[in-house]
Amino acid sequence: ELKVEQNPLFLSMQEGKNYTIYCNYSTTSDRLYWYRQDPGKSLESLFVLLSNGAVKQEGRLMASLDTKARLSTLHITAAVHDLSATYFCAVRRAAGNKLTFGGGTRVLVKP
Amino acid sequence: DSGVTQTPKHLITATGQRVTLRCSPRSGDLSVYWYQQSLDQGLQFLIQYYNGEERAKGNILERFSAQQFPDLHSELNLSSLELGDSALYFCASSPRTSSSYGYTFGSGTRLTVV
Repeated sequence: ELKVEQNPLFLSMQEGKNYTIYCNYSTTSDRLYWYRQDPGKSLESLFVLLSNGAVKQEGRLMASLDTKARLSTLHITAAVHDLSATYFCAVRRAAGNKLTFGGGTRVLVKP
Repeated sequence: DSGVTQTPKHLITATGQRVTLRCSPRSGDLSVYWYQQSLDQGLQFLIQYYNGEERAKGNILERFSAQQFPDLHSELNLSSLELGDSALYFCASSPRTSSSYGYTFGSGTRLTVV
């Protein structure tokens, strides 16, 4: 059974500093996704990572994938308050349809 | 607006009752996925339909059922409701049976069972 673990579960950030969220998964997958969720809201797609070594960046967020280590990271550069949200990684097994989600990382950026 | 429409947004009902949640996928998307988000279980995949047919099943209880209609909208039926069924139910859609480019999520239906 595919398991996806994120850490940390909670991240208190100071504005202007850099932080990293880690996502480990237990079996081979062919797609890794990062989503953002604001309280009580839907999931907003951030990145889709398709292959080993893939790196994608959007604004202050950068995601990378190491399929050999079964690890993805979401790096936040110079955190700002608007980035406060819960971030989820999700993994799709090869030839599968469903997404298996990590437990989420709640991010709070303080001034 | 993501293009995936879920109704109702909020639902409060009593234990033992039955409810129906509705999802209209993004225009052109053939696949619909249902997910349940609760505090203790996190985000869990329930079921997927593609062009009217069931394609994948996850941790869906026997009290729950779903279907996808010819116009591609989907309904999730929850019966004999228990307090533990209180959760946020999301629908997502994608163009094909599986998506290389992500899944578009609706805004969810918050179900409260009292």
